[in-house]
Amino acid sequence: EAGVVQSPRYKIIEKKQPVAFWCNPISGHNTLYWYRQNLGQGPELLIRYENEEAVDDSQLPKDRFSAERLKGVDSTLKIQPAELGDSAVYLCASSFGPSWEQYFGPGTRLTVT
Amino acid sequence: DAKTTQPNSMESNEEEPVHLPCNHSTISGTDYIHWYRQLPSQGPEYVIHGLTSNVNNRMASLAIAEDRKSSTLILHRATLRDAAVYYCILSPNAGKSTFGDGTTLTVKP
Repeated sequence: EAGVVQSPRYKIIEKKQPVAFWCNPISGHNTLYWYRQNLGQGPELLIRYENEEAVDDSQLPKDRFSAERLKGVDSTLKIQPAELGDSAVYLCASSFGPSWEQYFGPGTRLTVT
Repeated sequence: DAKTTQPNSMESNEEEPVHLPCNHSTISGTDYIHWYRQLPSQGPEYVIHGLTSNVNNRMASLAIAEDRKSSTLILHRATLRDAAVYYCILSPNAGKSTFGDGTTLTVKP
């Protein structure tokens, strides 16, 4: 069974440019999470979806970050415009409903120059 | 959210048991204790979770103190592939995991 798929794996952009990350969760998983992980720290939850609905986006910086999960399957996280401090690994995870057992993808490493 | 305290790093020898401690003196009665680990250049991986009783699965055991103010993740025979950052997390709600900085486990051959 395929795991959580993320693309791209690496992205280098200049500050003020837009960037988007894509995630395809494990088949059948209705809950999808986006995390940000800064170097040397643990992941920080940005947003959680139950099907198409964002049920927890309290940590998402809404001035520049947006996310969507239009058909309740794959999801896109966007940053516009990117800032130097956005350099991090962006992780996507999925699960059957809200769960202690989340399955993480490999992440997208973003470098903003 | 209740806070956890873990050592920054630990070392173990291959094929020996490893006990990874986690202190959580402000844990509430509804907080579950769960553990993830993160191998280099990978996303975190679920290890185990529990509320009050000790738990075992194919990966590890979780020993929870009677007063629940601390817990220990036990790897019964460490292998080189167990070298990772181990996160101890408290949460009353599944799907709401606040990761700390974790313990970096080094396994020596």
